[in-house]
Amino acid sequence: QKEVEQDPGPLSVPEGAIVSLNCTYSNSAFQYFMWYRQYSRKGPELLMYTYSSGNKEDGRFTAQVDKSSKYISLFIRDSQPSDSATYLCAMSQTGANNLFFGTGTRLTVIP
Amino acid sequence: SQTIHQWPATLVQPVGSPLSLECTVEGTSNPNLYWYRQAAGRGLQLLFYSVGIGQISSEVPQNLSASRPQDRQFILSSKKLLLSDSGFYLCAWSVPRQGRYGYTFGSGTRLTVV
Repeated sequence: QKEVEQDPGPLSVPEGAIVSLNCTYSNSAFQYFMWYRQYSRKGPELLMYTYSSGNKEDGRFTAQVDKSSKYISLFIRDSQPSDSATYLCAMSQTGANNLFFGTGTRLTVIP
Repeated sequence: SQTIHQWPATLVQPVGSPLSLECTVEGTSNPNLYWYRQAAGRGLQLLFYSVGIGQISSEVPQNLSASRPQDRQFILSSKKLLLSDSGFYLCAWSVPRQGRYGYTFGSGTRLTVV
């Protein structure tokens, strides 16, 4: 079983839709959770960072962590064509330096 | 501020030729450095990481090697490329002992072996 599982998609939504991206994980020691956004032919960039459980909101983006279910989500409200990218989740545990990445979900927002 | 540079952006190399990809970081000292390969639909594969000059850890056996000749320089090399070495190569850095807070990635090198 992989440490982190992520549906690769692809996911296509109309402009203005609410997008939900998800990852599940198996290691209960994970405490640090991240979402990266990667545009085509570019390196991933850190989009959201959360520690432990709960929600974090940044503009149209909300990151949610449910440690009891080992499940994290990224919600995008009022999606825009510029949100079209691959979204990767990543996570780590206290005292560790290595990140565990999901395989990424490819999102296309259609104008 | 910290920046990471990776070059070249695109490379087409024949099978059996050597490879050298370079990555440099500015604005920080003693970073942790990482080389990843990304294949379509397969996510990020960690190839090498380094916590200091001359200290390289290899995550998977392969046709590639890495070196860190200077504190903020990380080089990915191969003596003879294989077709299977094609992919998107990413360099990344993190603050020492704080990788759990995230990595910063370079812009990547698209390598096509023909």
